[in-house]
Amino acid sequence: DAGITQSPRYKITETGRQVTLMCHQTWSHSYMFWYRQDLGHGLRLIYYSAAADITDKGEVPDGYVVSRSKTENFPLTLESATRSQTSVYFCASRASGSPLGQFFGPGTRLTVL
Amino acid sequence: TQLLEQSPQFLSIQEGENLTVYCNSSSVFSSLQWYRQEPGEGPVLLVTVVTGGEVKKLKRLTFQFGDARKDSSLHITAAQPGDTGLYLCAAWGGNEKLTFGTGTRLTIIP
Repeated sequence: DAGITQSPRYKITETGRQVTLMCHQTWSHSYMFWYRQDLGHGLRLIYYSAAADITDKGEVPDGYVVSRSKTENFPLTLESATRSQTSVYFCASRASGSPLGQFFGPGTRLTVL
Repeated sequence: TQLLEQSPQFLSIQEGENLTVYCNSSSVFSSLQWYRQEPGEGPVLLVTVVTGGEVKKLKRLTFQFGDARKDSSLHITAAQPGDTGLYLCAAWGGNEKLTFGTGTRLTIIP
């Protein structure tokens, strides 16, 4: 499918488990982003990547790990999930240069019990 | 960290009415974007404004960037149920990252 996809769309896990959320884009965009969206906080940036093998922290990176071995993929791993990580996670991408818009995936709703 | 405040936080109006929502900050931005997010989906870009005082129109939606590039407004004329959603402003501060406001949740009542 063309565009940006996320998987899974819904995930329930338990405290302490490792969880990986997948993000794939077909546009060969340089930049990719991970956000979490919570009531009262809006969209907060977790990590971003300017290119393959280049990643950097965003506003709320603690408890998360990212990698980007290929331009099209940008997985987000919760190494040991906590209840405070229950949220909706959005992946986004954009081409290099600003002020271009970001394209968002459909989101992953994660519940940590 | 640049803060973007959106107001009102919630707005519910009747179909056919006009409305304006606001995005304000104490910081100057190089450009500002508006996104709309529908339930269960990711945000979708509506418009980008770059120049202070710039006005852009998208059908019944009018976007304005403040002269000092610290604020923006979105005006909807004759609102329709399809306009229902979460409206987010987002600003570029000169780095490679967008800062998002907390959003205005708009409900149009048929």
